[in-house]
Amino acid sequence: DGGITQSPKYLFRKEGQNVTLSCEQNLNHDAMYWYRQDPGQGLRLIYYSQIVNDFQKGDIAEGYSVSREKKESFPLTVTSAQKNPTAFYLCASSTVLWDIQYFGAGTRLSVL
Amino acid sequence: DQQVKQNSPSLSVQEGRISILNCDYTNSMFDYFLWYKKYPAEGPTFLISISSIKDKNEDGRFTVFLNKSAKHLSLHIVPSQPGDSAVYFCAASANSNSGYALNFGKGTSLLVTP
Repeated sequence: DGGITQSPKYLFRKEGQNVTLSCEQNLNHDAMYWYRQDPGQGLRLIYYSQIVNDFQKGDIAEGYSVSREKKESFPLTVTSAQKNPTAFYLCASSTVLWDIQYFGAGTRLSVL
Repeated sequence: DQQVKQNSPSLSVQEGRISILNCDYTNSMFDYFLWYKKYPAEGPTFLISISSIKDKNEDGRFTVFLNKSAKHLSLHIVPSQPGDSAVYFCAASANSNSGYALNFGKGTSLLVTP
């Protein structure tokens, strides 16, 4: 079954710690995205990637970093510079950039 | 600044009746609109879209209407079924510094009661 897999489902971060959220897709999509959702809010774009070895900042990239070494994978690192990391993180992919996006089930990140 | 607004956080409809979910936007440059449906603990799934060159798009029980002059779109579900109970997000895109990035509303939680 083709789809997008995010792991872990729940993640806890200690103060000053970097954590990495995994996103893998087997849809053969070129474009991938990371969004953040806060309670009662819409989704906000963190980073996006049009193709392997390329990625661009979205609207709220500060405190986050990404890599795109493989077409299937687009991990997101929440660094210690992100002072308010508690949120629901969603990864998405599309055939080409800005085409209809398909989402993973999300990772809920909390701070200990 | 919220450019896509869903002013009703929740909506309750009886099974078999019509559900109407509304969405307003402020950016006149938006030219493509989408609706996503989200169940708890799952990611949003694409439902239906409409381009600004059209005013209506229909897919089975789901119809989206676009009123460009009012900067308003709506999603109609007829007839509503209990399985339609979910959070519905409206999204819009336009060419910007972030490309055609989607701008999402806060969502409307729909409950369809038997």
